[in-house]
Amino acid sequence: QKEVEQDPGPLSVPEGAIVSLNCTYSNSAFQYFMWYRQYSRKGPELLMYTYSSGNKEDGRFTAQVDKSSKYISLFIRDSQPSDSATYLCAPGGDKLTFGTGTRLAVRP
Amino acid sequence: NAGVTQTPKFRILKIGQSMTLQCAQDMNHNYMYWYRQDPGMGLKLIYYSVGAGITDKGEVPNGYNVSRSTTEDFPLRLELAAPSQTSVYFCASSPPHREPYEQYFGPGTRLTVT
Repeated sequence: QKEVEQDPGPLSVPEGAIVSLNCTYSNSAFQYFMWYRQYSRKGPELLMYTYSSGNKEDGRFTAQVDKSSKYISLFIRDSQPSDSATYLCAPGGDKLTFGTGTRLAVRP
Repeated sequence: NAGVTQTPKFRILKIGQSMTLQCAQDMNHNYMYWYRQDPGMGLKLIYYSVGAGITDKGEVPNGYNVSRSTTEDFPLRLELAAPSQTSVYFCASSPPHREPYEQYFGPGTRLTVT
């Protein structure tokens, strides 16, 4: 079993849609749950993170962690074409374990 | 600050050739990392370093070597290039003792081995 599983997509949605991106993980020692965004041919950049179970909101983005089921989610409200990118979940601590990434396309 | 810089941006190597991928950061970060990213495979950690003079293997270290003589630089060496090393290589850094250890990535080096 992979340490982090993420549906690779691609996911295509119309502008304004609510997007749900998900990961599962197997290592209960993971302390932080990061979401990185990677535009085509660029390096990943940190979008947001959570430390414990529950929700964290930042503008149109909400990160959610359920440690009991080892499930990580990222929700994007009112999606925009500029959100078109690959989203990588990365649980861990001083070292991160990256999911394969979900490619998202938001159609105008 | 330039952040994390990587050179070269692109490189084509022949099988058996050697090269060094350069990585530098100007943020005074102690932690530095090398990843490779293959299509559909996510980022795999090759080597990492927690400070000058200290390096350790990651998940996929075979075929690579690193050194860390200064805080700023963390070069990755490929000694005998193989087609399996065709990939995009990312260097990252993060500040020490400052959770959640946010990693800042460079723009990547696209390497093709033929």
